[in-house]
Amino acid sequence: DTEVTQTPKHLVMGMTNKKSLKCEQHMGHRAMYWYKQKAKKPPELMFVYSYEKLSINESVPSRFSPECPNSSLLNLHLHALQPEDSALYLCASSPTGRAAYNEQFFGPGTRLTVL
Amino acid sequence: GNSVTQMEGPVTLSEEAFLTINCTYTATGYPSLFWYVQYPGEGLQLLLKATKADDKGSNKGFEATYRKETTSFHLEKGSVQVSDSAVYFCALPAGYSTLTFGKGTMLLVSP
Repeated sequence: DTEVTQTPKHLVMGMTNKKSLKCEQHMGHRAMYWYKQKAKKPPELMFVYSYEKLSINESVPSRFSPECPNSSLLNLHLHALQPEDSALYLCASSPTGRAAYNEQFFGPGTRLTVL
Repeated sequence: GNSVTQMEGPVTLSEEAFLTINCTYTATGYPSLFWYVQYPGEGLQLLLKATKADDKGSNKGFEATYRKETTSFHLEKGSVQVSDSAVYFCALPAGYSTLTFGKGTMLLVSP
């Protein structure tokens, strides 16, 4: 299984809602990533988990809260988002967190719209 | 820090035309270089990579050669197909765990 799955595919939420994005991989990878991608732009890194510990937070607002319950699962909890947070949220994984040598495998993304 | 510059698109070609998408980089040392592709409505997937100078990465008819003299990693394909229409990103490591991506080049291939 060389897939990264993400649910839901689409999410519409109001600014007062709380929702979560889910990402799963069964490749035995020990690094997992959250990216945000706006239309016609490259992905922007948000968080990196390495061996289930948060290793990088790219100064992401606290309304985004990541969680890594185990080595296969990654969640992104959303609360009090703003309309400008509307984007495609991509999850990725790699065998280890060493970017120089490891391909990152991306999921299909969750298209988030904040009203 | 490491950075990458790639040509802006869109690149519009007819089927069977030759493709070049330029990518140049600035880096400390000789990092691995990657091309990722994003098909409409999908996430990114690795297209090819090269881990050292003069290496040629290849996949699905695409090729790119790691040129340290010109700090380039241009993507080429001899004969594009409609199914190659996508956005192509050049990338290299920006830190231990992070990648820096180019702005992306959209390729549109018409029959």
